[in-house]
Amino acid sequence: KQEVTQIPAALSVPEGENLVLNCSFTDSAIYNLQWFRQDPGKGLTSLLLIQSSQREQTSGRLNASLDKSSGRSTLYIAASQPGDSATYLCAVGHGSSNTGKLIFGQGTTLQVKP
Amino acid sequence: DAGVTQSPTHLIKTRGQHVTLRCSPISGHKSVSWYQQVLGQGPQFIFQYYEKEERGRGNFPDRFSARQFPNYSSELNVNALLLGDSALYLCASSLPRTGGTEAFFGQGTRLTVV
Repeated sequence: KQEVTQIPAALSVPEGENLVLNCSFTDSAIYNLQWFRQDPGKGLTSLLLIQSSQREQTSGRLNASLDKSSGRSTLYIAASQPGDSATYLCAVGHGSSNTGKLIFGQGTTLQVKP
Repeated sequence: DAGVTQSPTHLIKTRGQHVTLRCSPISGHKSVSWYQQVLGQGPQFIFQYYEKEERGRGNFPDRFSARQFPNYSSELNVNALLLGDSALYLCASSLPRTGGTEAFFGQGTRLTVV
């Protein structure tokens, strides 16, 4: 059974700090991994998608890496800003690649203080 | 282009009632998935439909059902509502392709059962 764990559950940092969010999964048979952002009471916004054959993806101040063999992914946020405050969720694509089933971690809630 | 749209955004129901939630995927997307997110947790997979057929079902009771229409929109139905069904219900659409899909989420429907 695939299980996804995110550490830490919550994180508070001063503005401008670089930070790393961690995601681990128990079954390396994934077809992709996706990082999402969720603001309170809102839906999910896709940040980065890493295919199983890729090692990392970058978008602006965000960089996500994937190590399938060790069952780990990290989301690196450079020069954090108060607007980055949100919950960050990682999800692995598991099962048939023609479907869209995602298995989520419980998220890391980030607070960036001005 | 419109993103994934869900309706209604909020609703309150009484225990024992029935509810129907609706989702319109991004134009051209043929896969729709439903997730339940209770407060403080990551989303849990309920159903996945692709080309109007059920392709996956999560660990939810038979009170939950769904369908997909010829235009790829979808409905999630929940019968005999329980207090524990109170949650944010999220719909995701994706464009299946070899190697995995990127999921795009709607803003969700907040269901409160009293």
